[in-house]
Amino acid sequence: ILNVEQSPQSLHVQEGDSTNFTCSFPSSNFYALHWYRWETAKSPEALFVMTLNGDEKKKGRISATLNTKEGYSYLYIKGSQPEDSATYLCAFNNFGNEKLTFGTGTRLTIIP
Amino acid sequence: ETGVTQTPRHLVMGMTNKKSLKCEQHLGHNAMYWYKQSAKKPLELMFVYNFKEQTENNSVPSRFSPECPNSSHLFLHLHTLQPEDSALYLCASSQRAEVYNEQFFGPGTRLTVL
Repeated sequence: ILNVEQSPQSLHVQEGDSTNFTCSFPSSNFYALHWYRWETAKSPEALFVMTLNGDEKKKGRISATLNTKEGYSYLYIKGSQPEDSATYLCAFNNFGNEKLTFGTGTRLTIIP
Repeated sequence: ETGVTQTPRHLVMGMTNKKSLKCEQHLGHNAMYWYKQSAKKPLELMFVYNFKEQTENNSVPSRFSPECPNSSHLFLHLHTLQPEDSALYLCASSQRAEVYNEQFFGPGTRLTVL
């Protein structure tokens, strides 16, 4: 059974502050790590797909890093805005398997 | 808008009812997926269709019956459900059912079984 852990489960951040959270996954047979943003009552939206150890991806104020040897990825949000409030999901593919295993998410609330 | 639509958005049904969930993608993708999300649990894959062929059934009870008549449409037929089947059911699509392929999700159907 593959386990994907996300921490913290929920987070309140003041508008303008920066924040980060973690996704942990099995390091053996790693293939790809996906990050999604899921706003309430909307569809989950893909942010990043990362495959290489040391990969860093950036989209506006959001960035992510990947460490496949130790099995973790960080998602960073710089200068949080109210529209960043959402649940952030990570999902993992192991080798040769298109099936995504999801974590339970980090629920981020930005306080104006 | 992700290009994946789901209807209905909310559904309440009794245990003896038969209903269907519908998913449609307008992205020209060839793979479609059904996921279930129960309260406080991760998204759980139920079924995968790749080029209209079912390639994954993740030990789902037979009271859930998927149908993929073409690459753009996916149905989930429901019959004799249990209250514990109440959950959010999400549909997704991707170019193909391969690793790396970004999946595009619909907004989900919130199902309540009484």
